[in-house]
Amino acid sequence: ETGVTQTPRHLVMGMTNKKSLKCEQHLGHNAMYWYKQSAKKPLELMFVYSLEERVENNSVPSRFSPECPNSSHLFLHLHTLQPEDSALYLCASSQKRGQGADTEAFFGQGTRLTVV
Amino acid sequence: LAKTTQPISMDSYEGQEVNITCSHNNIATNDYITWYQQFPSQGPRFIIQGYKTKVTNEVASLFIPADRKSSTLSLPRVSLSDTAVYYCLVGDGYSTLTFGKGTMLLVSP
Repeated sequence: ETGVTQTPRHLVMGMTNKKSLKCEQHLGHNAMYWYKQSAKKPLELMFVYSLEERVENNSVPSRFSPECPNSSHLFLHLHTLQPEDSALYLCASSQKRGQGADTEAFFGQGTRLTVV
Repeated sequence: LAKTTQPISMDSYEGQEVNITCSHNNIATNDYITWYQQFPSQGPRFIIQGYKTKVTNEVASLFIPADRKSSTLSLPRVSLSDTAVYYCLVGDGYSTLTFGKGTMLLVSP
């Protein structure tokens, strides 16, 4: 248990569906992240939020839409996905953004997404 | 962002000490060195962070030479459960939290 909770743990959706992934942390952290990890590939950083403001968006297709309503919650809204979007989606949080001192990131267990 | 280079894979046996070295020749003055561990189908877990010399916690030690152009993660007496991917990250407070390919450590009986 890392203090970062993701739901659902598993999700199967059709290409025309709309679904949302949820991430929640009550660690008092100010930065939150979405990552995608496809089979046998490195983690890909998708979005970074710092103090509820999106500060990084790494050329992610618009069919992925993040939302950070408050510092404890992060959502990833999905619509019209493709089969190649099937992957493990990981949420993380840290006290401060970046890789400096005291930036230990805590990851959730992830959502295993399958697009059919 | 400092570029890091680490071995793609390493093999070890239970009970041995494992040292994984990461090269970061263009490390900047404000950069910290951080290591994470990732098991299959799980998110990475923070192991240790350092700036210079040696840092030790209950899990591992991190050795950083004076020039800081490399660092070595040392895992004492590994067990089968230490089989995982280990990532070396170098950056400062403004750096993107980006993971590379990491080192796949396989521990055998």
